[in-house]
Amino acid sequence: DVKVTQSSRYLVKRTGEKVFLECVQDMDHENMFWYRQDPGLGLRLIYFSYDVKMKEKGDIPEGYSVSREKKERFSLILESASTNQTSMYLCASSLPEDNEQFFGPGTRLTVL
Amino acid sequence: AQKVTQAQTEISVVEKEDVTLDCVYETRDTTYYLFWYKQPPSGELVFLIRRNSFDEQNEISGRYSWNFQKSTSSFNFTITASQVVDSAVYFCALSEATNFNKFYFGSGTKLNVKP
Repeated sequence: DVKVTQSSRYLVKRTGEKVFLECVQDMDHENMFWYRQDPGLGLRLIYFSYDVKMKEKGDIPEGYSVSREKKERFSLILESASTNQTSMYLCASSLPEDNEQFFGPGTRLTVL
Repeated sequence: AQKVTQAQTEISVVEKEDVTLDCVYETRDTTYYLFWYKQPPSGELVFLIRRNSFDEQNEISGRYSWNFQKSTSSFNFTITASQVVDSAVYFCALSEATNFNKFYFGSGTKLNVKP
């Protein structure tokens, strides 16, 4: 079974802090994704990585950056957290030739 | 424009009732994929089904069934004899062949099944 894990289930940070959300998958998937989920908006893609050190902006990249130094790990970085980044963050992975995405349990981030 | 519309924000049913979750999509691609995911209270999205645009056959898996109709651009999901464990948020998603790995998610439908 594919396993996608995220470093924290719940996180509380202060405005202006630098925040790291970590995602690890154990199935050697090339593709990894970061989404945020907000009520009434579904899931929106923040960033996508199709290989180590490769990244592409999604629909809402502003205020975020990512890092993919190893194939199994994809980090989402909030350089200076703001209250409007309070949300549920979901990581996913997939094979390049198969677009079924496997999701982690999510990190609920609150920025005060 | 919204590519995937799930007009039902929240549905409440009593156990053993049948319930249909609606999904309407919009695309100009002739090759595309449609998905349903379930998100239980634990948070993790669980894959339920993927259909490609060339396969309009309806699918049944136990109490779950899916009705894909290209003529109405719909991919509806029916749960027969609902159970409390079916309570979750359900997402419909679209992936187009021109950008295979990009998903367009609907806003989700929250299903409450009461005992």
